[in-house]
Amino acid sequence: DAEITQSPRHKITETGRQVTLACHQTWNHNNMFWYRQDLGHGLRLIHYSYGVHDTNKGEVSDGYSVSRSNTEDLPLTLESAASSQTSVYFCASSEGNTPSDEQFFGPGTRLTVL
Amino acid sequence: AQSVTQPDIHITVSEGASLELRCNYSYGATPYLFWYVQSPGQGLQLLLKYFSGDTLVQGIKGFEAEFKRSQSSFNLRKPSVHWSDAAEYFCAVGSHSGTYKYIFGTGTRLKVLA
Repeated sequence: DAEITQSPRHKITETGRQVTLACHQTWNHNNMFWYRQDLGHGLRLIHYSYGVHDTNKGEVSDGYSVSRSNTEDLPLTLESAASSQTSVYFCASSEGNTPSDEQFFGPGTRLTVL
Repeated sequence: AQSVTQPDIHITVSEGASLELRCNYSYGATPYLFWYVQSPGQGLQLLLKYFSGDTLVQGIKGFEAEFKRSQSSFNLRKPSVHWSDAAEYFCAVGSHSGTYKYIFGTGTRLKVLA
């Protein structure tokens, strides 16, 4: 069965370190998304991609970057981790890029920045 | 600005009781509306969605939701709650204004008493 996976599931890092969170999907979806989930905020969009070599900023993109070199993967990089980036991160994908398309979510990565 | 409001942060119901989770949205056009469920430690799973047509939509796990344009609401209901329904529930609107994205509510955490 097709799926979307994230690794690691849990990560503890120190302020200032570079961190990369992996997202891999086998749906062959063109569209991929990264969200962060924080108490009282729900899910907020960080970056998204409509296809290989395409990346776009979401509403909370500062301090994050993504790159899309193939269809299956969209790694999220925190260039210099900050305590404010302690959160749960979800990757998602969808077949189409319209608002009616269902997004399929990974299990999440819990990141703690000390 | 587009927004989604879930006024109830926590709801507790007894097993077998009926359930209604509230969702209000602010959106200029006909919205694409979704309800997702997040079980502990898991990603989000789509329960149901509304785009057009019949304003009462059926979803998985016995859930339904009713779109009421006059009230800008899309409330989620279940006639008889099971202990396994304990989870966090997110309402979302699909936005096609500018860029494609989901706007999520802050979530409602459901506790089910045996």
